[in-house]
Amino acid sequence: GDSVTQMEGPVTLSEEAFLTINCTYTATGYPSLFWYVQYPGEGLQLLLKATKADDKGSNKGFEATYRKETTSFHLEKGSVQVSDSAVYFCALSDNNAGNMLTFGGGTRLMVKP
Amino acid sequence: DTAVSQTPKYLVTQMGNDKSIKCEQNLGHDTMYWYKQDSKKFLKIMFSYNNKELIINETVPNRFSPKSPDKAHLNLHINSLELGDSAVYFCASSQDLHRSYEQYFGPGTRLTVT
Repeated sequence: GDSVTQMEGPVTLSEEAFLTINCTYTATGYPSLFWYVQYPGEGLQLLLKATKADDKGSNKGFEATYRKETTSFHLEKGSVQVSDSAVYFCALSDNNAGNMLTFGGGTRLMVKP
Repeated sequence: DTAVSQTPKYLVTQMGNDKSIKCEQNLGHDTMYWYKQDSKKFLKIMFSYNNKELIINETVPNRFSPKSPDKAHLNLHINSLELGDSAVYFCASSQDLHRSYEQYFGPGTRLTVT
């Protein structure tokens, strides 16, 4: 079955540091890939997505490139801010009945001033 | 306007009770979902519902039953609540079933079973 593996947290960074959160996946078809962010006490918000190989998703300074050869979708940001502190989820949607998302375990990011 | 809303936000109840969580979306989407997030933040799909077609995740106990009175609403009924049902339940919606469409999530309902 489909699965998503992402690096365990928490990840603690100082403000303006470079961020990478690794995400790899296993899927039977050609999935769409997503990064969602969950701020404390809130629901999930879509951060960015990519629907085919070599696509780059980007939003709010975050980027991720769909790498089919390495089955990866790593999240990066050049300079993090305290307001980026949240839990980040990598997810995929394969051609399954119901369009159900398969999530990674989430990575908590803490940014210190 | 809130795109996907859920009520209640918090729900505390005793084992053995039956409870419902309501979800509404005003995005005009065809597809709605229920997810469960456990205490370790792990998210798992429970159901997908598209134009009156229910797609059931096989691992969900039959004590859980979604009901959709119309395309904009998907409620979750839980019978005979157990301690292990304590979690945050998220409703979501997407334009339709195509895999490229992102899902929009509600704020969640924190269920505590005592």
